[in-house]
Amino acid sequence: DTGVSQDPRHKITKRGQNVTFRCDPISEHNRLYWYRQTLGQGPEFLTYFQNEAQLEKSRLLSDRFSAERPKGSFSTLEIQRTEQGDSAMYLCASSSFGGQGIYEQYFGPGTRLTVT
Amino acid sequence: GEDVEQSLFLSVREGDSSVINCTYTDSSSTYLYWYKQEPGAGLQLLTYIFSNMDMKQDQRLTVLLNKKDKHLSLRIADTQTGDSAIYFCAGSGGYNKLIFGAGTRLAVHP
Repeated sequence: DTGVSQDPRHKITKRGQNVTFRCDPISEHNRLYWYRQTLGQGPEFLTYFQNEAQLEKSRLLSDRFSAERPKGSFSTLEIQRTEQGDSAMYLCASSSFGGQGIYEQYFGPGTRLTVT
Repeated sequence: GEDVEQSLFLSVREGDSSVINCTYTDSSSTYLYWYKQEPGAGLQLLTYIFSNMDMKQDQRLTVLLNKKDKHLSLRIADTQTGDSAIYFCAGSGGYNKLIFGAGTRLAVHP
């Protein structure tokens, strides 16, 4: 399977604990995005990497959140001191320049976080 | 910034056409997209339209763009039960990040 993969698919944690999610993009894609989707809403942008450089962070990404893409391949998203409001689906997408002139984003299946 | 709004629910009979509507506020999106999300599955890009186009047809899908009214629609011809899903329209911002609406849940009944 050469699609975007995310691990774990589900995570249940207690409030105050730290969690880390991993995203493996499609191998030749240099752009990587993280989004968060809460129930009944569309995904909201969190952060963007071009290769290993984190070029944009949403104001939704409080100082408890940190993301890395150390070698321009896989990425991790860490949430420290989790709160119940962090419960959501965390989606990763990767893209590269497409033949039709667009950067089509391919999404992974997501990591569903439940904070109890 | 961009704001994207959609109606939340649409119910159609199998075989009929479905029309899902979307309005957006920021006209600077170069492309506008339609994504499909099925339960337990990731987001799938259905189609997109370049902002200087009025219409794009792709098999059963027709996208209409009214730039003056900042209105985007997705028409699905001959809707099937397999089309039941949540449909998101999205604009694009800096670094091509996607800005999604809340999604329209399409229910197809016999």
